[in-house]
Amino acid sequence: QKEVEQDPGPLSVPEGAIVSLNCTYSNSAFQYFMWYRQYSRKGPELLMYTYSSGNKEDGRFTAQVDKSSKYISLFIRDSQPSDSATYLCAMMDSSYKLIFGSGTRLLVRP
Amino acid sequence: AAGVIQSPRHLIKEKRETATLKCYPIPRHDTVYWYQQGPGQDPQFLISFYEKMQSDKGSIPDRFSAQQFSDYHSELNMSSLELGDSALYFCASSFGSGGAVVEQFFGPGTRLTVL
Repeated sequence: QKEVEQDPGPLSVPEGAIVSLNCTYSNSAFQYFMWYRQYSRKGPELLMYTYSSGNKEDGRFTAQVDKSSKYISLFIRDSQPSDSATYLCAMMDSSYKLIFGSGTRLLVRP
Repeated sequence: AAGVIQSPRHLIKEKRETATLKCYPIPRHDTVYWYQQGPGQDPQFLISFYEKMQSDKGSIPDRFSAQQFSDYHSELNMSSLELGDSALYFCASSFGSGGAVVEQFFGPGTRLTVL
């Protein structure tokens, strides 16, 4: 079983919809929780990260971490076609190496 | 703003050949990470360097070696290439230690194809 589980999708939504992306994990030592966006044939781009449980908002993006349930989420409000990409959750323990989920492909239809 | 530079962007090799991938971190970044992303797979951590010393090691085959040089650029050397080594190889860089290294900035990757 992988340390980080993520539904690969694809997830197809109409423009303007609220998107919910989720990951679960098994390692309670994870301290940092990240969301990366990866366009085709490009490197992952860090969207935002949180430390420990709670919420963090950045523009149209909100990240949530529930350490008691080992569950993290990324919400995208007012989704745009330019948001179409693969979204990777990633986690980090005290060694600072990233453990990625398998990524969810998101398609926002105009 | 300057980003992580990787070269070459594409590389085609035959089985049993060797390959060298290069990574130039963002200026002032002192930590480099290498990740391997197979087709349809998530990136897997290979190895990292902080201040020219190996700081952590992941699922890197013994056929691979890497180092970080005095100017902080890093090279990943891959020998006896196998078909299964075909993947996208990403380099990421960060600055400092402790919480600062949370923000890892990724390069565009080198796509290696082994025939």
